[in-house]
Amino acid sequence: AQSVTQLGSHVSVSEGALVLLRCNYSSSVPPYLFWYVQYPNQGLQLLLKYTTGATLVKGINGFEAEFKKSETSFHLTKPSAHMSDAAEYFCAVRTALVNEKLTFGTGTRLTIIP
Amino acid sequence: DAGITQSPRHKVTETGTPVTLRCHQTENHRYMYWYRQDPGHGLRLIHYSYGVKDTDKGEVSDGYSVSRSKTEDFLLTLESATSSQTSVYFCAISDSNRLDNEQFFGPGTRLTVL
Repeated sequence: AQSVTQLGSHVSVSEGALVLLRCNYSSSVPPYLFWYVQYPNQGLQLLLKYTTGATLVKGINGFEAEFKKSETSFHLTKPSAHMSDAAEYFCAVRTALVNEKLTFGTGTRLTIIP
Repeated sequence: DAGITQSPRHKVTETGTPVTLRCHQTENHRYMYWYRQDPGHGLRLIHYSYGVKDTDKGEVSDGYSVSRSKTEDFLLTLESATSSQTSVYFCAISDSNRLDNEQFFGPGTRLTVL
């Protein structure tokens, strides 16, 4: 079965500092990986996704993530945090295993310190 | 933004009462999903639909039923609500079952069962 682990349920960074949100996955077959963001009192929206090909994926709002098969990781980064980045971030995985649906991690709440 | 609405947006009910949540979409997407979001658990799939009158169970389906009589509407019913069903419920839609397909989320319904 597939699964996702997000290290750190809460992360705080100063405005202008590097954002690093960690995601590790478990899968016996090649994964499709996603990052979703949830702003307060809203639904989730897609930030970026990895399917095949280039392992460095760029998304909206300056975020990017790198798929590292050897480390089974898909960490999300942004070089310089902005106040508007404060939100909850979810990593998710899906595979071609029979009957597997999109599986979400437990989420990381990002706080930006002025 | 994808045209997805959920109603009601907030509901407080008592243990043992039936509750129906509605998801309505204007995108004509074939696939619809119900998730619940709980602290420490992320999003978990309750039920999903792959067409009118075609539904299947997700990871946490016990105590829930669904119906889809029209493409645009997907109903989630709690036959006899329990306090453990206090949660935020999200509807999502997608236009295909491809592994890399994005899901679009509604704004959520906050349900409190007293």
